Amino acid sequence: SAVISQKPSRDICQRGTSLTIQCQVDSQVTMMFWYRQQPGQSLTLIATANQGSEATYESGFVIDKFPISRPNLTFSTLTVSNMSPEDSSIYLCSVEDRGRDYGYTFGSGTRLTVV
Amino acid sequence: AQSVTQPDIHITVSEGASLELRCNYSYGATPYLFWYVQSPGQGLQLLLKYFSGDTLVQGIKGFEAEFKRSQSSFNLRKPSVHWSDAAEYFCAVGEGNGNKLVFGAGTILRVKS
Repeated sequence: SAVISQKPSRDICQRGTSLTIQCQVDSQVTMMFWYRQQPGQSLTLIATANQGSEATYESGFVIDKFPISRPNLTFSTLTVSNMSPEDSSIYLCSVEDRGRDYGYTFGSGTRLTVV
Repeated sequence: AQSVTQPDIHITVSEGASLELRCNYSYGATPYLFWYVQSPGQGLQLLLKYFSGDTLVQGIKGFEAEFKRSQSSFNLRKPSVHWSDAAEYFCAVGEGNGNKLVFGAGTILRVKS
């Protein structure tokens, strides 16, 4: 199965600033997915990132707030811009693993607190 | 659009008792179904998955799930719960082929001794 390295694992940020989260995969993958898990909630998809094209955002999420880069088949970043306390969440990246053991692999998550 | 319903927000069971966590989905074709577990402060761990074939699937930690197409359900079961099973459990459905996973709201399992 694919292995994802996600960093930072946690951060405390001031409101109005931005944080960039990185995900590195140990194999080439077509799609990468970015999820948000608000406190006590389930996972909600922010966007799908395909290498070489603009990310596709879900309803309620916009590129200006959550810009995503996907420069190659093993790496992606998600930036949380102009943060407010409502952005305090866990952010996770995920990939669809189409190897022998098909499934979806998740990064360990970034726990973001905005103060 | 796909949707996943986990009707039980919280479930409390005694250690050693059996467990069943419910999951219903809405999807037109045969979905790809998953159960994940998340312990406090931890990431998501895959328990089991179903794509096709035998409708009863075995997973890790003694968990199993049964796909019932007629009921659009994929309930998670364990015959004897251990205190270490206390966690939040998420059911998820996907289409494969590069498409996203949609998650249910989750069920928090408490185990009493």
